Amino acid sequence: DQQVKQNSPSLSVQEGRISILNCDYTNSMFDYFLWYKKYPAEGPTFLISISSIKDKNEDGRFTVFLNKSAKHLSLHIVPSQPGDSAVYFCAARGPAGNNRKLIWGLGTSLAVNP
Amino acid sequence: IAGITQAPTSQILAAGRRMTLRCTQDMRHNAMYWYRQDLGLGLRLIHYSNTAGTTGKGEVPDGYSVSRANTDDFPLTLASAVPSQTSVYFCASSHGQGTGGYTFGSGTRLTVV
Repeated sequence: DQQVKQNSPSLSVQEGRISILNCDYTNSMFDYFLWYKKYPAEGPTFLISISSIKDKNEDGRFTVFLNKSAKHLSLHIVPSQPGDSAVYFCAARGPAGNNRKLIWGLGTSLAVNP
Repeated sequence: IAGITQAPTSQILAAGRRMTLRCTQDMRHNAMYWYRQDLGLGLRLIHYSNTAGTTGKGEVPDGYSVSRANTDDFPLTLASAVPSQTSVYFCASSHGQGTGGYTFGSGTRLTVV
């Protein structure tokens, strides 16, 4: 049973436009959410995170929004650049007592077209 | 450069053979993890270690074993490889609190034939 769901396996966006990647979760005990970016033949790298006590966190072109009532978060990339083409993983931190291990979504492959 | 080193980067292995994937970190992170990544299945946790001397099973532990003799090293062993273990394996480490501190290695691409 997937506790963190990224329902769009892929997304294609024009350069300069906004990319919106979505993530849904089922466990209301998750208290911290993270986005990782992965290029081919490399390991995932941390991109941005948000605590459950906030609804928005911004870092340059990247903004993460959290809607706790809907158990939904999204990553906005504005403006999108070809170098943003990668697989993006959403992850949630497990509740206390679970070693705080991250629970991962299956990823969304983003293609930014020039 | 601080980070995680995985070796080998790729390997073709005959079914039934034993193989150890190596993982070393120099960040003094308490927790370490082994994941496999397969198309359409995302990152699946194989085994983890909260601290040196302890290990635990993840989602897909069968056919794999780990040890954590010290803080820096976390080898993953396939005792008798099978073709279904063909995958890309990632080692990661963190301070153990999950607040964005996961650092991943570059991966080992393993093909079992």
